[in-house]
Amino acid sequence: TQLLEQSPQFLSIQEGENLTVYCNSSSVFSSLQWYRQEPGEGPVLLVTVVTGGEVKKLKRLTFQFGDARKDSSLHITAAQPGDTGLYLCADEDTGGFKTIFGAGTRLFVKA
Amino acid sequence: EAQVTQNPRYLITVTGKKLTVTCSQNMNHEYMSWYRQDPGLGLRQIYYSMNVEVTDKGDVPEGYKVSRKEKRNFPLILESPSPNQTSLYFCASSLTASYNSPLHFGNGTRLTVT
Repeated sequence: TQLLEQSPQFLSIQEGENLTVYCNSSSVFSSLQWYRQEPGEGPVLLVTVVTGGEVKKLKRLTFQFGDARKDSSLHITAAQPGDTGLYLCADEDTGGFKTIFGAGTRLFVKA
Repeated sequence: EAQVTQNPRYLITVTGKKLTVTCSQNMNHEYMSWYRQDPGLGLRQIYYSMNVEVTDKGDVPEGYKVSRKEKRNFPLILESPSPNQTSLYFCASSLTASYNSPLHFGNGTRLTVT
């Protein structure tokens, strides 16, 4: 069974700081997805990456997929309070029709 | 507005009292799924459905039932709830079961079983 490990578990920073969170898989990703979950809401998809070495940017967020497709990072530049939330990485399980999630990194950005 | 709607948002019940959490999507999605979210464990899949009348177990199906009689609805049934089913539950749907088809989540149902 594939396991997704995210680090750090919790991160509290000041507005304007940069940060990076990580996602590591026990096996090669089929397709890596990053979701953000705000308090009281369900997760919302941020990005999907498929190709090893791929880099995608979404405004101040930069997503990087490892060459071996077993790890990924999410970098946020100049964090804002609106970035506060739980960041989840996920993968499609090739053995079945389901998405596997990591436990997430809980980010709190103080104004 | 395209959305996944869960009801209720909050539910407190007692051990053994049957309950149903409803889930409805208005996007004509084929794939629907239920997850539970617990601190430190992330989202774990309970059941999923590829289409009408097609359902299958996820990673933690014990104590739960589902049905998919219509494409838009996918209710989660707890026949005899127990305290270890206290959790935050999410319903999700996608056009198909593919990485090209992202999951759309409801806003969750927080269940407490005493």
